[in-house]
Amino acid sequence: GAVVSQHPSWVICKSGTSVKIECRSLDFQATTMFWYRQFPKQSLMLMATSNEGSKATYEQGVEKDKFLINHASLTLSTLTVTSAHPEDSSFYICSASPRVRKNTEAFFGQGTRLTVV
Amino acid sequence: KQEVTQIPAALSVPEGENLVLNCSFTDSAIYNLQWFRQDPGKGLTSLLLIQSSQREQTSGRLNASLDKSSGRSTLYIAASQPGDSATYLCAVGAGNMLTFGGGTRLMVKP
Repeated sequence: GAVVSQHPSWVICKSGTSVKIECRSLDFQATTMFWYRQFPKQSLMLMATSNEGSKATYEQGVEKDKFLINHASLTLSTLTVTSAHPEDSSFYICSASPRVRKNTEAFFGQGTRLTVV
Repeated sequence: KQEVTQIPAALSVPEGENLVLNCSFTDSAIYNLQWFRQDPGKGLTSLLLIQSSQREQTSGRLNASLDKSSGRSTLYIAASQPGDSATYLCAVGAGNMLTFGGGTRLMVKP
């Protein structure tokens, strides 16, 4: 199957700093990638849809100025958590699908566990 | 707005039992449905993908069914093993975007 690589797998940062998470599709092109967040003992919730070459689409309640998404190429999307606070501590995971059809399988990165202290 | 519900939320069974995990969704206009496995603190492993035109998919001891008209899917695990212990998530897809259920935490006891 297709491979999506996410980096880093875990990060600890101080409150007020920014953290960048990368999501790469290694063997396919993806015009769209998705960013999800999972709080402890909860399911994954979609945060935003990352579109190559255009602005990301954010779900209701997700601050676009806090969670900056850049999708500069067909194989890379980045999520930057700006001015992180302890309540941003969560598991962040991206997904992507090959660009050709809408009903293809979604492939997920390994996820990034962010802890803000 | 699509809502996905998984029942039960948690399940504990002895090794060797066959079991069924349930997933229901409110909007039948889906492209596909996926079942995932998530181990504690880890990412997602895709188990089975069912396209909207399909009724079921099988992989080893796993069988997933889809009844789009009634908004239901089941994941059947045969002869459960302790290594099957994990959280199982179903997600319905529309245009590659997935909506996840809350998951079923499965514990298979030796």
